Parts: sequence; C-alpha cells; structure tokens
Amino acid sequence: EPEVTQTPSHQVTQMGQEVILRCVPISNHLYFYWYRQILGQKVEFLVSFYNNEISEKSEIFDDQFSVERPDGSNFTLKIRSTKLEDSAMYFCASTGTGTYGYTFGSGTRLTIV
Amino acid sequence: DQQVKQNSPSLSVQEGRISILNCDYTNSMFDYFLWYKKYPAEGPTFLISISSIKDKNEDGRFTVFLNKSAKHLSLHIVPSQPGDSAVYFCAASARGSGGSNYKLTFGKGTLLTVNP
Repeated sequence: EPEVTQTPSHQVTQMGQEVILRCVPISNHLYFYWYRQILGQKVEFLVSFYNNEISEKSEIFDDQFSVERPDGSNFTLKIRSTKLEDSAMYFCASTGTGTYGYTFGSGTRLTIV
Repeated sequence: DQQVKQNSPSLSVQEGRISILNCDYTNSMFDYFLWYKKYPAEGPTFLISISSIKDKNEDGRFTVFLNKSAKHLSLHIVPSQPGDSAVYFCAASARGSGGSNYKLTFGKGTLLTVNP
C-alpha cells in the first residue's frame, strides 16, 4: 500500500537554528499538508499546498515557516529560527483529488533544546 | 478556539462490547466529518467519514452517526477488539468554503482501551 514517508523520525535542534523536515508524499497525490501535534494537544493544521503553491495556512504558520516541493517528489517544511514552542510531532499528509481520506506519514518528532 | 471537541480523553471497554466515541462541533460551516485512528509512533489513519447530508455511515464494525441539529457525531465500534485500542480523532471540514484544499480541524482525541 502506498505510504507517505517522513524523515527524520526524530530531530533535536538548538533553539535559533534552522530545521528542515522532509516528506515524500504518495506519487499521484496532488494536495499536500503539514500538521503538527504538541504533546497532549490536538493535531493542528499548519499549511496546505497545491499546484506548487500554498493554498491555505494557519496563524501558526508565520514568517519563520516555509514549504517547498523542490523536485516533484519531496515536500519540505523549513523552520528558519526555531523556538522552544516549536517542539512537537510534525505530520505530513497527502491526498488525491476530491478526497479527505488523507494518508499521513509517521511523523517527525522535533525537539528544540 | 475549540471548534471540534472530544470531551472524553479516555474510554475503556471490554472486548466484544460496543465502544462509543463522541465528538461535538461548533462551526456550522462544517459539512464533512471524519474519524482517524492513531497508534503510538504512527501517523493518523483514516477510518470512516460522513457528509452532512447523511445521518449515518457504516463500514464493517464501524458506524458514524451525525446529528446536525445537535452538532454532534459519534463513532460506534461493534464488537470492540483489543486491536482497536488507539487514540481516535474526530475531524471536520468546510468543503463548501471552496478553494483548492481540504483542510481538517481536529479534536484532541480520545484514547480507547479495549480490554481482553
């Protein structure tokens, strides 16, 4: 069964440093997403990406965040200057046309120290 | 702003019995609802969904009920199995809002434990 692959599974980064989280969505999917879950909290929408541009972003997704689909297969989330409160589980997801049945990756646990 | 609420953080049931997971929402623009299951160290997995034009959708042991007037939905699992033990997330979307994305708003989740 097709999978969404996320790397790394764990990332520890110094506060103020840049971090890039990587995702390989399912190949024929068109919509890509990043969500995050702070420990004990709900899964929160960060950003959606379609047709090589951001289609919607939440207020969490400020100027420190950016997304890219650099080569037609990878989908990355960059946090430019990390803060302690960025520590969370980050999930990538993708979906095909006209469906909400997202396929999520297994997540990257980001810890900012 | 908790637009999707799962008020029970945990639920424990015996194997073979019914599990009922509840979810309330406040945004009247939501018109599509989903349930996801999540095991530790894995991403959420889509389970079942329902459109606001329906009040029930069934898939095997899983049934979702929607009460639009009460802004309430529930997931029934019958019979419950130990392998169903996981965190269950309710999610909602406003498809009618247009645009080219299918953004979901999630609840905080309910940890279901099915005891053998």
